[in-house]
Amino acid sequence: GDSVTQMEGPVTLSEEAFLTINCTYTATGYPSLFWYVQYPGEGLQLLLKATKADDKGSNKGFEATYRKETTSFHLEKGSVQVSDSAVYFCALSSGTYKYIFGTGTRLKVLA
Amino acid sequence: DGGITQSPKYLFRKEGQNVTLSCEQNLNHDAMYWYRQDPGQGLRLIYYSQIVNDFQKGDIAEGYSVSREKKESFPLTVTSAQKNPTAFYLCASSSYNEQFFGPGTRLTVL
Repeated sequence: GDSVTQMEGPVTLSEEAFLTINCTYTATGYPSLFWYVQYPGEGLQLLLKATKADDKGSNKGFEATYRKETTSFHLEKGSVQVSDSAVYFCALSSGTYKYIFGTGTRLKVLA
Repeated sequence: DGGITQSPKYLFRKEGQNVTLSCEQNLNHDAMYWYRQDPGQGLRLIYYSQIVNDFQKGDIAEGYSVSREKKESFPLTVTSAQKNPTAFYLCASSSYNEQFFGPGTRLTVL
């Protein structure tokens, strides 16, 4: 079945450091890919998405490129801020109403 | 503003009691979902509904029940058969290609 694997956390960075959170997927067909962010005690918010190969999703300085050849959708940000501290979830949808989520990666940014 | 509301935000239950978590959306979405999240873990699907009066079990449906009598509402009942119900519960709805989440309900069994 479909699955999503993302890097184990926590990831601890200093402010203004470069961020990469790895995400790979297994799916039949051509899924849509998503990154969600969850702040403490809150629900998930959609951060960005990509619906086909080579698409780049971007939002708030974060970006991720849909790489079909490597089945990856890595999240990157050039300069993180303390306010980016949260849990990040990679997810996919194969268009069947079901969404598959990774286990989440906790990011902690130190001032 | 369109969105998903969940109530209450915090809920305490004694062992052996059933409890119902509310989820309402005004996004006009057909599909709605319930997930469970445990500390340091990802989301696990409890139930989902693609249309009014129809719903399907997810990966961890045992000890839970749902109803979908209205498009806007998808309440979740945690029954006494659920052995370890303390968790954070998230409701979501989706359009064709995007899923939206409510703020969550934290359930604690005393």
